[in-house]
Amino acid sequence: KAGVTQTPRYLIKTRGQQVTLSCSPISGHRSVSWYQQTPGQGLQFLFEYFSETQRNKGNFPGRFSGRQFSNSRSEMNVSTLELGDSALYLCASGTGGGTDTQYFGPGTRLTVL
Amino acid sequence: QKEVEQDPGPLSVPEGAIVSLNCTYSNSAFQYFMWYRQYSRKGPELLMYTYSSGNKEDGRFTAQVDKSSKYISLFIRDSQPSDSATYLCAIMSVNNNDMRFGAGTRLTVKP
Repeated sequence: KAGVTQTPRYLIKTRGQQVTLSCSPISGHRSVSWYQQTPGQGLQFLFEYFSETQRNKGNFPGRFSGRQFSNSRSEMNVSTLELGDSALYLCASGTGGGTDTQYFGPGTRLTVL
Repeated sequence: QKEVEQDPGPLSVPEGAIVSLNCTYSNSAFQYFMWYRQYSRKGPELLMYTYSSGNKEDGRFTAQVDKSSKYISLFIRDSQPSDSATYLCAIMSVNNNDMRFGAGTRLTVKP
């Protein structure tokens, strides 16, 4: 079974631009969660989508948004990029059940110049 | 206070040593406990998953949970250079998939 895939793997943007990241979960998984990982803050939860609906949301500004499609693929969008948005963005997929465990993709490394 | 506290290390041990990694958490609403291993430039991979207090073994790895103290540990026996990675503890609440991660401990096992 194929794992979680994320595209692109690396991205360089400038301040003020916007970016869209994509995540394809493991086949059969309906939950996709997004995380931001930085050396200073560690792994921080952004949001979780389940069956095309945002089910949980972390403490990030509205510039960070996401969506999920009917095939469970998910996209994350960051508008008006700031230097501090430079990070590894990870998505994780799961079945979405109450005792679900999550499987991470390799991440998208975003650098904002 | 962070919900999950984990010493970031770095931790360096000789091959064959027993490694002890620890986390504490503050909110008893979190009832599921995980350990992830993350190699450089890779996403985290799930190592251990446990719910109850006590020990859970998987090969050279043992996860230990003490809910009364809100303390979780991961022990690695006979450590190998291939165990060199960052280890992240994580906690998850019962009712949803909201997870909180520790800062991660960077481990190096020297041959």
